[in-house]
Amino acid sequence: QVQLQESGPGLVKPSETLSLTCAVSGYSISSGYYWGWIRQPPGKGLEWIGTINHRGTSYNPSLKSRVTVSVDTSKNQFSLNLSSVTAADTAVYYCARIAGGGYDVFDIWGQGTMVTVSS
Amino acid sequence: EIVMTQSPATLSVSPGERATLSCRASQSVSSDLAWYQQKPGQAPRLLIYGASTRVTGIPARFSGSGSETEFTLTISSLQSEDFAVYYCQQYNNWPLTFGGGTKVEVK
Repeated sequence: QVQLQESGPGLVKPSETLSLTCAVSGYSISSGYYWGWIRQPPGKGLEWIGTINHRGTSYNPSLKSRVTVSVDTSKNQFSLNLSSVTAADTAVYYCARIAGGGYDVFDIWGQGTMVTVSS
Repeated sequence: EIVMTQSPATLSVSPGERATLSCRASQSVSSDLAWYQQKPGQAPRLLIYGASTRVTGIPARFSGSGSETEFTLTISSLQSEDFAVYYCQQYNNWPLTFGGGTKVEVK
């Protein structure tokens, strides 16, 4: 079955760049689907960050100036870079698959990784 | 951006009782509405999409209804494993947006 696993630093300093990777197993990401990132600040709700597929990327306008999502098909993984981070970017970051078929819903999720922005 | 508003923020229900959760969109999203369940320390789990279609494996006690701007998730008889936070998400327009969540707790 398809599985996603996030990895990356758990602590990032203010003004630096947060970088996370999502490794996909059980499916070749070059074969299709959209793949995305969602975050959840402690005790709060969910926020979509950005999405990528073979046609390109889409980003949340509220984060667009700081976000880059990219894919490495050779490693079957995709990545998130979020620049100029502040304490407000402290959150659990999830990677997920979008179901497709016209349903832009997140049907498979990684377990999430907590990222704290602090000096 | 379409704003999704969920109510109530917290719902206290006894096991075996019915729970009714609401989600309202700031503009019509047709039937492009999904529901997720999230338990502490876990990732969200997709329950329903297309406003009323259950994901394979989701128990029949979960049902979704509504269209345009008003949606409801009903859990017909709450089981112990159903106490969690529930989120709605619209996918009619990008950016994709989520509601703030409803916590279903034991009464």
